[in-house]
Amino acid sequence: AQSVSQHNHHVILSEAASLELGCNYSYGGTVNLFWYVQYPGQHLQLLLKYFSGDPLVKGIKGFEAEFIKSKFSFNLRKPSVQWSDTAEYFCAVNDGTGGFKTIFGAGTRLFVKA
Amino acid sequence: GAVVSQHPSRVICKSGTSVKIECRSLDFQATTMFWYRQFPKQSLMLMATSNEGSKATYEQGVEKDKFLINHASLTLSTLTVTSAHPEDSSFYICSARVQGRTEAFFGQGTRLTVV
Repeated sequence: AQSVSQHNHHVILSEAASLELGCNYSYGGTVNLFWYVQYPGQHLQLLLKYFSGDPLVKGIKGFEAEFIKSKFSFNLRKPSVQWSDTAEYFCAVNDGTGGFKTIFGAGTRLFVKA
Repeated sequence: GAVVSQHPSRVICKSGTSVKIECRSLDFQATTMFWYRQFPKQSLMLMATSNEGSKATYEQGVEKDKFLINHASLTLSTLTVTSAHPEDSSFYICSARVQGRTEAFFGQGTRLTVV
C-alpha cells in the first residue's frame, strides 16, 4: 500500500537554528510531492510542491525541499527558523491515480523557542 | 484564487442525530473533492474521494452508510454523518482539486462534537 513516513514527530529548535524534516514515501511510479503547514488554529496551507523538473524546490517563507528519487525522499529544509514557524508540518504524496487523492504523513510538530 | 470554504466551522450535536457539512469551491470548479478526518495530534486520514455526478469512492474501513457524501455540483460536496456517536467527534476537512493541477486546496475544517 502507498504510504508516507515522517521521521520526526516532535522537533524543538531555537530561533536561527537550521531545520530539516525527513519524509519518505513508498510509491513505485511517478509522484507529486507536497509539504503542507498547519499553524495553530488554522487550516492547512501549501508550503511547496514538486511534480517535475528541478528536484530542489523553493516554497514560501524561505522553505525548500529536495526530491531524491533514489531514496524515495522529499526532505524539508529551512536555513534559519523563526518563532513564527512553530506549527505542524505534513508531507503528502499523490501519484495521479484516484483523482489525485493525496496521502499524508503523520506530521511533525515543530516548536521554535524565542 | 482557489479558495475552499467549509460550513459550519464548529458543530455540536446530540448522539443519534445527523449532521451535514458543506464544502464549497468558491472561485473554481472542482470535479474532485476529498474528505479527510483528523484526530487530535494526528495526521489527516483520507475518508473518501467525491466525484461530481457520481458515487463517492470510500477508503477501506470507512462506513459509506454512516458517512454519506454527495457531490451534486461542480462547486459543492456535502458530508453527512448519520446517527452520530461520540466516537465520531473529530475534525473533518475537505479539499478540492483544480482540474489540470496536481495539488488540492483545503477548507478550514469542521470540528464536530457529539454529546
